Amino acid sequence: AQKITQTQPGMFVQEKEAVTLDCTYDTSDQSYGLFWYKQPSSGEMIFLIYQGSYDEQNATEGRYSLNFQKARKSANLVISASQLGDSAMYFCAMRGLILTGGGNKLTFGTGTQLKVEL
Amino acid sequence: DTEVTQTPKHLVMGMTNKKSLKCEQHMGHRAMYWYKQKAKKPPELMFVYSYEKLSINESVPSRFSPECPNSSLLNLHLHALQPEDSALYLCASSRAIPGGTEAFFGQGTRLTVV
Repeated sequence: AQKITQTQPGMFVQEKEAVTLDCTYDTSDQSYGLFWYKQPSSGEMIFLIYQGSYDEQNATEGRYSLNFQKARKSANLVISASQLGDSAMYFCAMRGLILTGGGNKLTFGTGTQLKVEL
Repeated sequence: DTEVTQTPKHLVMGMTNKKSLKCEQHMGHRAMYWYKQKAKKPPELMFVYSYEKLSINESVPSRFSPECPNSSLLNLHLHALQPEDSALYLCASSRAIPGGTEAFFGQGTRLTVV
């Protein structure tokens, strides 16, 4: 069974500052993938960044980077230079074994509500 | 185009009604998903279609009936729902390849059962 843990229900950050959102995971799979999604109040889940379990380099996408520490089973999201538009719910998710026939089965954490302040 | 389009955006239905949620993508993805999300909770997987065939049903009650008429469309037929079925229903799609890729989500349908 897979489990994703996000221990920060809410976070505040000043505009232009960097913020780290924590995510730890537990799995017995050798091959897995970790995702971060952003969900504004409108409801859409917006894909931010992906890290494969065999990737040696930490993933980066613009202002987003994923601090992947495999031995500690953590996959923290770092947002640099926060903007007011970054205020949203952020979910960490894991893909485990590939489904027969293809596709992902994502397990989500409970989310972190980020508020960016002036 | 990385868009998944869901209609309607909002739906209010009575417990005796029959309604359908629709989802469309034109990214060539052959895996499509329905998720249910209650307020302040993470999404929970309901169904997975791969190459237009149902590959996962997460023990969803039969009052929810999925359908994948072609590789671009995914429907969720609703019948005799309960008030506790009120939630945000999210559709997603991804490539159906080994190794997996990110899933792209639609904006969701906010369903209220009265």
